[in-house]
Amino acid sequence: GAGVSQSPSNKVTEKGKDVELRCDPISGHTALYWYRQSLGQGLEFLIYFQGNSAPDKSGLPSDRFSAERTGGSVSTLTIQRTQQEDSAVYLCASRAGRSNTEAFFGQGTRLTVV
Amino acid sequence: GENVEQHPSTLSVQEGDSAVIKCTYSDSASNYFPWYKQELGKGPQLIIDIRSNVGEKKDQRIAVTLNKTAKHFSLHITETQPEDSAVYFCAASNTGGGADGLTFGKGTHLIIQP
Repeated sequence: GAGVSQSPSNKVTEKGKDVELRCDPISGHTALYWYRQSLGQGLEFLIYFQGNSAPDKSGLPSDRFSAERTGGSVSTLTIQRTQQEDSAVYLCASRAGRSNTEAFFGQGTRLTVV
Repeated sequence: GENVEQHPSTLSVQEGDSAVIKCTYSDSASNYFPWYKQELGKGPQLIIDIRSNVGEKKDQRIAVTLNKTAKHFSLHITETQPEDSAVYFCAASNTGGGADGLTFGKGTHLIIQP
């Protein structure tokens, strides 16, 4: 399909383990965002990639969180030493560029830390 | 950075009545204001957006108004239907200069009563 794809759709992990969440943006989209949505809550900004520019990491809640985007396409969000408060839906969105264009969201990855 | 406030957090209206959701933003440089609808278990989807060079935009039963001076914008849904029940998010974006962040409000849970 042509939409934003996230994997896995669901992930259950034990406290203290590391997890990797993947986002495949729409082909050609230069902007990529990660958001966290806790149960019944809003969209908490985590990190933003735009082309080859340095990412905006200002939303990452702690140094356990990191993200990379290889070749300007696929992005991986990594959470190290997961805690129960990390349980949430992690949403990825991509956008064609800087010019007021629509951001398309994936379905999200539901992370549960037990 | 940008801060977006959204009210109310929950809105219940009778089917057929109108619903209004309001947002304020803090960064006067923001120039793009999208509204997203999120249904249960899905990622947010764009329903309407407005640029800073216009004051109002309509699309069938949905309209958005923007007051740049007061830094607020609103979503209006007329003749509400059961399928309008969802969580709605406003957002603000500054696509000028080197920044292209997309900051969301905390969402409004719209409930359409039959």
